[in-house]
Amino acid sequence: DIQMTQSPASLSASLGETVSIECLASEDIYNNLAWYQQKPGKSPQLLIYYASSLQDGVPSRFSGSGSGTQYSLKINSLESEDAATYFCLQDSEYPYTFGAGTKLELK
Amino acid sequence: EVQLVESGGGLVQPGRSMKLSCAASGFTFSNYGMAWVRQAPTKGLEWVATISYDGSSTYYRDSVKGRFTISRDNAKSTLYLQMNSLRSEDTATYYCTRSGILRITRGWFAYWGQGTLVTVSS
Repeated sequence: DIQMTQSPASLSASLGETVSIECLASEDIYNNLAWYQQKPGKSPQLLIYYASSLQDGVPSRFSGSGSGTQYSLKINSLESEDAATYFCLQDSEYPYTFGAGTKLELK
Repeated sequence: EVQLVESGGGLVQPGRSMKLSCAASGFTFSNYGMAWVRQAPTKGLEWVATISYDGSSTYYRDSVKGRFTISRDNAKSTLYLQMNSLRSEDTATYYCTRSGILRITRGWFAYWGQGTLVTVSS
């Protein structure tokens, strides 16, 4: 199985700041990487697919990059609504696997 | 608007069975692969099973293979998950998801339902 190591596990940032979250795959996943946002009591929402493609309706302050085994999600100009847990997903091969999540807190 | 509405969760004893359903609307159901993803309480996400748009191909994680069956009824726009021989470690919220690409089974989960909680306990 492909292991997804996500970091950091948590971070705290201020409104207007820029943050990055990383996912490291145990092998090449050929850009088959998606990012999700989940708020408490809610289902995950797709932000980014195929490493860098922005899902319709997602604000442009979210962006994804990376290749091979290393990928990142960047959130520019943090807003209060961005407080959530973020997960990466590799959909390169079965079993699909998720990162453990990054809890983003706004100061 | 894409809508996925799960039902069928609840409390079940270990070793018993349960069947989840997911009613889909807002898109042509028969054109998309579908999947179940679960999340144990306060835990991360775990892919469970996937079915192709026409039902001809299915994929399972090892821990549920032989116990769970994913199926679909395209005429009813409904996805199912039959869960047999349930274990305490199957306790989770189960989400119905739709793939992101027309007529391609593989790939990311573009839309998610609100989830249904399955609790396996005596």
